[in-house]
Amino acid sequence: TQLLEQSPQFLSIQEGENLTVYCNSSSVFSSLQWYRQEPGEGPVLLVTVVTGGEVKKLKRLTFQFGDARKDSSLHITAAQPGDTGLYLCAGETHAGNMLTFGGGTRLMVKP
Amino acid sequence: EAGVTQFPSHSVIEKGQTVTLRCDPISGHDNLYWYRRVMGKEIKFLLHFVKESKQDESGMPNNRFLAERTGGTYSTLKVQPAELEDSGVYFCASSHWVEQFFGPGTRLTVL
Repeated sequence: TQLLEQSPQFLSIQEGENLTVYCNSSSVFSSLQWYRQEPGEGPVLLVTVVTGGEVKKLKRLTFQFGDARKDSSLHITAAQPGDTGLYLCAGETHAGNMLTFGGGTRLMVKP
Repeated sequence: EAGVTQFPSHSVIEKGQTVTLRCDPISGHDNLYWYRRVMGKEIKFLLHFVKESKQDESGMPNNRFLAERTGGTYSTLKVQPAELEDSGVYFCASSHWVEQFFGPGTRLTVL
């Protein structure tokens, strides 16, 4: 059974601060996807990383896939209240296969 | 392009009753997945269709759950008879290859 340990579970910070969310596993994934979920909605895909060591940037969000493709991180620079939400990482062992989800990080950014 | 849609958005039923959830994937996506989140837990995989065929149903909890995808378009997930522990949010996702796009979910409450 593959497990994705996501940390921290909860994070409350002030506007303008930086933060990092971690996703770790003992399993190797062919790709790792980061989602953001708002209440009452489904997860919305932010980015997919597929190559070990890959770094992708999406405005103030930086995503990194570990060299061994077992871990990933999401770093947010100068967080804004609009960044508030649930962030989920999910790994795929083979393209087109099921996703294994982390437990999620609930982020609150206070103005 | 329309996203993944799910119906109903909410369903409240009594233990022992039957409920059928529907998912319409993004047009042209051969892969269709069902996931669910029960209270306090991470999102977990239920099953995966490729067109009308069940590719992987290893996540289906028991034989009270029946998923179909006749014609390879929309899919239904029937729970019969429903039990209290079936309460949760059921998500459908579809993909063309790697990236999975999620619907808004159906919140099922079994009383």
